[in-house]
Amino acid sequence: GQNIDQPTEMTATEGAIVQINCTYQTSGFNGLFWYQQHAGEAPTFLSYNVLDGLEEKGRFSSFLSRSKGYSYLLLKELQMKDSASYLCAVDQTGANNLFFGTGTRLTVIP
Amino acid sequence: NAGVTQTPKFRILKIGQSMTLQCTQDMNHNYMYWYRQDPGMGLKLIYYSVGAGITDKGEVPNGYNVSRSTTEDFPLRLELAAPSQTSVYFCASSLGQGSSPLHFGNGTRLTVT
Repeated sequence: GQNIDQPTEMTATEGAIVQINCTYQTSGFNGLFWYQQHAGEAPTFLSYNVLDGLEEKGRFSSFLSRSKGYSYLLLKELQMKDSASYLCAVDQTGANNLFFGTGTRLTVIP
Repeated sequence: NAGVTQTPKFRILKIGQSMTLQCTQDMNHNYMYWYRQDPGMGLKLIYYSVGAGITDKGEVPNGYNVSRSTTEDFPLRLELAAPSQTSVYFCASSLGQGSSPLHFGNGTRLTVT
């Protein structure tokens, strides 16, 4: 089985930095994905972590600790367009699909 | 490339009616998926396919059926629609397991009344 936890909602100020956490418990772990989903739209791929450590992609970075069952998505220099839901998804060993958390809705305020 | 295309975008069904949600992809991906997304519940897998002619159940398959006669198409069939099937449905495709990300269609918003 698997259990994936994310905060339901977060609010942050334009230009600031925000960290969205994801903890997971799973029987077998291959890697972890982060997706962004704007309201009324499809999820889009942001990042994939398989090894421990930080992966940086422009304003967005993602961190993974396999031993702690923990990941976070770091968004820097927040912009209004970053207001969206951020979905954490686990690639479980032996499964042919991803298991998604319930998502964190981020609101960026001026 | 159009990516993953879903039709229709919106649909209202009466209880007991049936319909097919269409999904096609032009990326030559072997893996295709159907998810439903309900408020506060996250994406739940309904059915998936690892290649033409092969389908398998996901977490919430009851009330649905799928087929995969070609690599490109993966329709989802609802027989005897129920209010519990009111949801947003997403089709997705990927190259396969591992680091291959899912590519999602734009979704179908279905209401059953």
